Amino acid sequence: QKEVEQDPGPLSVPEGAIVSLNCTYSNSAFQYFMWYRQYSRKGPELLMYTYSSGNKEDGRFTAQVDKSSKYISLFIRDSQPSDSATYLCAMSEGAGGTSYGKLTFGQGTILTVHP
Amino acid sequence: KAGVTQTPRYLIKTRGQQVTLSCSPISGHRSVSWYQQTPGQGLQFLFEYFSETQRNKGNFPGRFSGRQFSNSRSEMNVSTLELGDSALYLCASSLEGLQPQHFGDGTRLSIL
Repeated sequence: QKEVEQDPGPLSVPEGAIVSLNCTYSNSAFQYFMWYRQYSRKGPELLMYTYSSGNKEDGRFTAQVDKSSKYISLFIRDSQPSDSATYLCAMSEGAGGTSYGKLTFGQGTILTVHP
Repeated sequence: KAGVTQTPRYLIKTRGQQVTLSCSPISGHRSVSWYQQTPGQGLQFLFEYFSETQRNKGNFPGRFSGRQFSNSRSEMNVSTLELGDSALYLCASSLEGLQPQHFGDGTRLSIL
């Protein structure tokens, strides 16, 4: 079983829809949670970065972390065709030892927003 | 501020050869991590370097190695290439290894 599970989709929504992307994880040591967006032939681009449980909002994007359920979400409001990409969740542990520089990723969800 | 730069963007090699990939981190970032991305396995952590020292390593064979220079630039080497090494190799940098990582656009390695 993978440490981080993410539904690969694909997910297809109309322009203007609210998109919900989710990941579950099994490692209770994870403390830092990230969402990346990856366009074809490009590297992952950092969208959201959160520490521990709670919500964080940035423009049309909202990230939620529920550590008690080991569940994180990314919501995209008023989705646009330019949001079409692969969305990757990533997690890391706290300071020390095997956590330095190591992100554990979900498989990625392919999102298409059609006009 | 320039982002993470990886060279070359594309490489074609044959089995048994070796290859060296290069990564220049964001200015001021001292931690460099390397990842392998494949359709089947997704993004997998290879290793991390900080101040010219490898601090962390993933579950990859010893054919995969790296180093970091005093200016924080990093190289990754793969020896005795196998068909299964075909992948996108991504480099990411952060200030000290625990902050958010910023990725380059990767080197696409194809093994014939």
